[in-house]
Amino acid sequence: KAGVTQTPRYLIKTRGQQVTLSCSPISGHRSVSWYQQTPGQGLQFLFEYFSETQRNKGNFPGRFSGRQFSNSRSEMNVSTLELGDSALYLCASSLLGTDTDTQYFGPGTRLTVL
Amino acid sequence: AQTVTQSQPEMSVQEAETVTLSCTYDTSESDYYLFWYKQPPSRQMILVIRQEAYKQQNATENRFSVNFQKAAKSFSLKISDSQLGDAAMYFCAYRSQAGTALIFGKGTTLSVSS
Repeated sequence: KAGVTQTPRYLIKTRGQQVTLSCSPISGHRSVSWYQQTPGQGLQFLFEYFSETQRNKGNFPGRFSGRQFSNSRSEMNVSTLELGDSALYLCASSLLGTDTDTQYFGPGTRLTVL
Repeated sequence: AQTVTQSQPEMSVQEAETVTLSCTYDTSESDYYLFWYKQPPSRQMILVIRQEAYKQQNATENRFSVNFQKAAKSFSLKISDSQLGDAAMYFCAYRSQAGTALIFGKGTTLSVSS
Protein backbone atom coordinates (compact mmCIF):
# COMPACT_ATOMS: atom_id res chain seq x y z
CA LYS A 1 0.00 0.00 0.00
CA ALA A 2 1.20 3.47 -0.75
CA GLY A 3 1.83 5.64 2.28
CA VAL A 4 0.45 9.05 3.12
CA THR A 5 1.40 11.59 0.48
CA GLN A 6 1.55 15.35 0.84
CA THR A 7 1.86 17.98 -1.83
CA PRO A 8 3.66 20.17 -2.35
CA ARG A 9 6.74 19.22 -0.37
CA TYR A 10 8.06 22.78 -0.23
CA LEU A 11 6.37 26.15 -0.46
CA ILE A 12 7.56 29.71 -0.22
CA LYS A 13 4.99 32.44 0.31
CA THR A 14 4.98 36.05 1.44
CA ARG A 15 3.12 37.59 4.35
CA GLY A 16 -0.54 38.21 3.67
CA GLN A 17 -0.87 35.50 1.06
CA GLN A 18 -2.86 32.35 1.50
CA VAL A 19 -1.79 28.77 0.94
CA THR A 20 -3.41 25.38 0.42
CA LEU A 21 -1.73 22.11 1.35
CA SER A 22 -2.93 18.70 0.26
CA CYS A 23 -2.85 15.29 1.90
CA SER A 24 -3.79 11.91 0.44
CA PRO A 25 -4.25 9.27 3.12
CA ILE A 26 -3.39 5.61 2.92
CA SER A 27 -5.95 3.79 0.83
CA GLY A 28 -8.92 2.83 3.01
CA HIS A 29 -8.11 5.30 5.76
CA ARG A 30 -10.92 7.69 6.52
CA SER A 31 -9.44 9.84 9.24
CA VAL A 32 -6.94 12.59 8.46
CA SER A 33 -5.23 14.74 11.08
CA TRP A 34 -2.99 17.75 10.59
CA TYR A 35 -0.10 18.88 12.78
CA GLN A 36 2.19 21.89 12.75
CA GLN A 37 5.83 21.43 13.70
CA THR A 38 8.03 24.40 14.61
CA PRO A 39 11.33 24.56 16.51
CA GLY A 40 9.78 26.70 19.23
CA GLN A 41 6.39 25.10 19.78
CA GLY A 42 7.16 21.56 18.70
CA LEU A 43 4.38 19.44 17.27
CA GLN A 44 0.89 20.79 17.71
CA PHE A 45 -2.42 19.34 16.61
CA LEU A 46 -4.39 21.46 14.16
CA PHE A 47 -7.52 19.45 13.35
CA GLU A 48 -8.91 16.07 12.38
CA TYR A 49 -11.36 15.16 9.66
CA PHE A 50 -13.44 12.04 9.35
CA SER A 51 -16.04 11.38 6.66
CA GLU A 52 -15.80 14.95 5.41
CA THR A 53 -16.52 16.40 8.87
CA GLN A 54 -14.18 18.17 11.21
CA ARG A 55 -14.29 16.05 14.31
CA ASN A 56 -11.62 17.62 16.46
CA LYS A 57 -9.82 20.94 16.49
CA GLY A 58 -6.70 22.24 18.18
CA ASN A 59 -6.01 25.70 19.51
CA PHE A 60 -5.23 27.61 16.34
CA PRO A 61 -6.75 30.82 14.97
CA GLY A 62 -9.50 30.78 12.39
CA ARG A 63 -6.97 31.54 9.65
CA PHE A 64 -6.26 27.83 9.70
CA SER A 65 -8.99 25.78 8.10
CA GLY A 66 -9.38 22.49 6.38
CA ARG A 67 -11.69 20.20 4.57
CA GLN A 68 -11.98 16.60 3.52
CA PHE A 69 -13.34 15.21 0.31
CA SER A 70 -15.43 12.12 -0.30
CA ASN A 71 -12.31 10.16 -1.29
CA SER A 72 -10.80 11.05 2.15
CA ARG A 73 -8.20 13.39 0.65
CA SER A 74 -7.81 16.46 2.78
CA GLU A 75 -6.66 20.01 2.29
CA MET A 76 -5.69 22.61 4.79
CA ASN A 77 -5.72 26.31 4.09
CA VAL A 78 -3.94 29.13 5.85
CA SER A 79 -5.09 32.62 5.02
CA THR A 80 -3.32 35.92 5.64
CA LEU A 81 0.01 34.26 6.24
CA GLU A 82 2.24 35.47 9.05
CA LEU A 83 5.96 34.91 9.52
CA GLY A 84 5.15 32.62 12.44
CA ASP A 85 3.28 30.25 10.16
CA SER A 86 6.59 29.04 8.77
CA ALA A 87 6.65 25.41 9.77
CA LEU A 88 6.59 21.80 8.70
CA TYR A 89 2.97 20.74 8.27
CA LEU A 90 2.41 17.05 8.81
CA CYS A 91 -0.60 15.05 7.83
CA ALA A 92 -1.45 11.71 9.42
CA SER A 93 -4.06 9.18 8.45
CA SER A 94 -5.70 6.34 10.31
CA LEU A 95 -8.37 3.83 9.49
CA LEU A 96 -11.28 5.17 11.50
CA GLY A 97 -9.67 7.62 13.88
CA THR A 98 -10.70 5.56 16.87
CA ASP A 99 -8.61 5.20 19.98
CA THR A 100 -7.33 1.82 18.86
CA ASP A 101 -6.04 3.19 15.56
CA THR A 102 -2.47 4.14 14.81
CA GLN A 103 -1.74 7.32 12.93
CA TYR A 104 0.64 7.11 9.98
CA PHE A 105 2.39 10.27 8.94
CA GLY A 106 3.23 11.74 5.58
CA PRO A 107 6.57 13.36 4.71
CA GLY A 108 5.26 16.84 5.43
CA THR A 109 5.07 20.16 3.59
CA ARG A 110 7.72 22.70 4.50
CA LEU A 111 6.15 26.17 4.38
CA THR A 112 8.36 29.24 4.48
CA VAL A 113 6.73 32.65 4.87
CA LEU A 114 8.88 35.63 3.87
CA ALA B 1 -5.02 19.12 30.06
CA GLN B 2 -2.54 16.39 29.32
CA THR B 3 1.13 17.16 28.94
CA VAL B 4 4.14 15.17 27.81
CA THR B 5 7.67 15.96 28.96
CA GLN B 6 10.93 14.73 27.50
CA SER B 7 13.69 15.99 29.76
CA GLN B 8 16.63 14.99 27.57
CA PRO B 9 16.99 17.30 24.56
CA GLU B 10 19.99 15.31 23.31
CA MET B 11 21.41 11.86 23.88
CA SER B 12 24.29 9.98 22.35
CA VAL B 13 25.18 6.31 22.15
CA GLN B 14 27.85 4.14 20.59
CA GLU B 15 26.94 1.54 18.01
CA ALA B 16 25.86 -1.78 19.56
CA GLU B 17 25.27 -0.14 22.94
CA THR B 18 21.96 0.40 24.72
CA VAL B 19 20.34 3.76 25.34
CA THR B 20 17.20 4.77 27.23
CA LEU B 21 15.13 7.83 26.38
CA SER B 22 12.89 9.25 29.10
CA CYS B 23 9.32 10.47 28.91
CA THR B 24 6.88 11.50 31.60
CA TYR B 25 3.30 12.58 31.14
CA ASP B 26 0.53 14.08 33.14
CA THR B 27 -3.09 13.01 32.88
CA SER B 28 -6.09 12.38 35.05
CA GLU B 29 -7.41 9.70 32.71
CA SER B 30 -7.08 6.01 33.38
CA ASP B 31 -7.27 4.76 29.81
CA TYR B 32 -5.02 6.19 27.13
CA TYR B 33 -2.34 5.30 24.63
CA LEU B 34 1.35 6.14 24.53
CA PHE B 35 3.61 6.16 21.51
CA TRP B 36 7.19 6.65 20.51
CA TYR B 37 7.73 8.13 17.06
CA LYS B 38 11.05 8.51 15.28
CA GLN B 39 11.76 11.44 12.96
CA PRO B 40 14.97 11.01 10.93
CA PRO B 41 16.53 13.87 8.96
CA SER B 42 14.09 13.14 6.13
CA ARG B 43 11.39 14.45 8.54
CA GLN B 44 9.12 11.44 7.94
CA MET B 45 7.56 10.47 11.28
CA ILE B 46 7.75 6.75 11.83
CA LEU B 47 5.92 4.85 14.55
CA VAL B 48 8.39 2.96 16.73
CA ILE B 49 6.22 1.46 19.42
CA ARG B 50 2.82 1.80 21.03
CA GLN B 51 1.54 1.01 24.52
CA GLU B 52 -2.02 0.73 25.75
CA ALA B 53 -2.35 1.99 29.31
CA TYR B 54 -4.62 -0.88 30.34
CA LYS B 55 -1.93 -3.41 29.46
CA GLN B 56 0.55 -4.06 32.21
CA GLN B 57 2.98 -5.83 29.91
CA ASN B 58 5.60 -3.58 28.37
CA ALA B 59 5.50 -3.36 24.58
CA THR B 60 8.47 -4.56 22.53
CA GLU B 61 9.32 -4.28 18.85
CA ASN B 62 12.55 -6.02 17.96
CA ARG B 63 15.37 -3.90 19.44
CA PHE B 64 12.93 -1.37 20.89
CA SER B 65 11.18 -1.83 24.20
CA VAL B 66 9.45 0.39 26.70
CA ASN B 67 9.34 0.62 30.45
CA PHE B 68 5.80 1.72 31.24
CA GLN B 69 5.22 2.77 34.83
CA LYS B 70 1.59 3.84 35.02
CA ALA B 71 1.59 4.98 38.63
CA ALA B 72 4.69 7.08 38.06
CA LYS B 73 3.36 8.28 34.68
CA SER B 74 6.62 7.33 33.06
CA PHE B 75 7.17 5.82 29.61
CA SER B 76 10.80 5.31 28.66
CA LEU B 77 12.13 3.84 25.42
CA LYS B 78 15.07 1.46 25.42
CA ILE B 79 16.99 0.90 22.22
CA SER B 80 19.24 -2.14 22.32
CA ASP B 81 22.14 -2.87 19.97
CA SER B 82 22.02 0.67 18.63
CA GLN B 83 22.63 1.15 14.92
CA LEU B 84 23.70 4.18 12.90
CA GLY B 85 20.24 4.23 11.36
CA ASP B 86 18.71 4.85 14.77
CA ALA B 87 20.04 8.40 14.73
CA ALA B 88 16.97 10.63 14.69
CA MET B 89 14.73 12.77 16.82
CA TYR B 90 12.45 10.69 19.01
CA PHE B 91 9.08 11.93 20.15
CA CYS B 92 6.97 10.58 22.96
CA ALA B 93 3.25 11.07 22.39
CA TYR B 94 0.02 10.65 24.33
CA ARG B 95 -3.46 10.07 23.08
CA SER B 96 -6.62 10.02 25.12
CA GLN B 97 -9.02 7.14 24.71
CA ALA B 98 -11.69 9.66 23.86
CA GLY B 99 -9.70 11.80 21.47
CA THR B 100 -7.78 11.48 18.26
CA ALA B 101 -5.18 14.19 18.75
CA LEU B 102 -1.65 13.16 19.62
CA ILE B 103 0.05 15.28 22.28
CA PHE B 104 3.78 15.30 21.72
CA GLY B 105 6.77 15.96 23.88
CA LYS B 106 9.50 18.32 22.66
CA GLY B 107 11.63 15.44 21.43
CA THR B 108 15.06 13.94 22.10
CA THR B 109 17.75 14.04 19.45
CA LEU B 110 19.67 10.78 19.45
CA SER B 111 23.09 10.59 17.84
CA VAL B 112 24.83 7.27 17.23
CA SER B 113 28.57 7.05 16.77
CA SER B 114 30.65 4.21 15.35
